[in-house]
Amino acid sequence: EAGVAQSPRYKIIEKRQSVAFWCNPISGHATLYWYQQILGQGPKLLIQFQNNGVVDDSQLPKDRFSAERLKGVDSTLKIQPAKLEDSAVYLCASSLGSRWTLNGYTFGSGTRLTVV
Amino acid sequence: RKEVEQDPGPFNVPEGATVAFNCTYSNSASQSFFWYRQDCRKEPKLLMSVYSSGNEDGRFTAQLNRASQYISLLIRDSKLSDSATYLCVVTRSSGGSYIPTFGRGTSLIVHP
Repeated sequence: EAGVAQSPRYKIIEKRQSVAFWCNPISGHATLYWYQQILGQGPKLLIQFQNNGVVDDSQLPKDRFSAERLKGVDSTLKIQPAKLEDSAVYLCASSLGSRWTLNGYTFGSGTRLTVV
Repeated sequence: RKEVEQDPGPFNVPEGATVAFNCTYSNSASQSFFWYRQDCRKEPKLLMSVYSSGNEDGRFTAQLNRASQYISLLIRDSKLSDSATYLCVVTRSSGGSYIPTFGRGTSLIVHP
C-alpha cells in the first residue's frame, strides 16, 4: 500500500512570505493529522480532520495558519505570513479512524521549513 | 503539568543492556497509548500499541499503569540499531474522536 505522500520535502522562505504544504493520506484513511515538530521536541498536533470535518484545531495559530481537506482526501496546510519561529518539520499523518488503535498513525516524510 | 511527559535523556547504554523508559500522562480519562520510534531526521514510526494487559513484541515490552497514569517501554538485549528517539503517544476523547498527544521523546544511544 502506498504511504502518506507529502510535498515539498524542503522549503526555504523569508519571513512574512507565505507557504503551502500538501498531503495525500493512505487510501481509505478517514482521519488526517498535521503536526509541527520543532528540533528537539515531540510532534505538536496542529489540526485533526475526520473526513472533511475538523475534529481539533485547538493548537493551530489561526491568525496565520490555515488548513483544509475539502473532499475528505488530500489536504493543504498554509502559513501566511511566516515567522522565524515557524521553522520546523511539518508532518502529515493518517489513520483509518481516530479510535483505531491496531496500526496507530502512519506519517509522511515531512516538509522541512526554514524561515530566514 | 504537561499532558504527556517524558525524560528526554539521553540514555546511554552498552549493547546487550536492558533499558526502560517511562511516560506519564495527566488526563485520567486517556483512551489509547502507543510507543513510536523516530530516527534522526526521519518521520516517527509505530513501535507498538500499549494494551491494558501489557504486551510484548520480541525484545520490547510495553506496560500500562492506569492507577499511576504512566506507560513504560522495556528494551531487552539492546542493539546498536535501537539507537533512536522513543516517543510516547496518549489519546484523549473529544466529541467521539480520539485526539493524540505526543511526548517530547526519550533519546537512546546504544554503544558497542
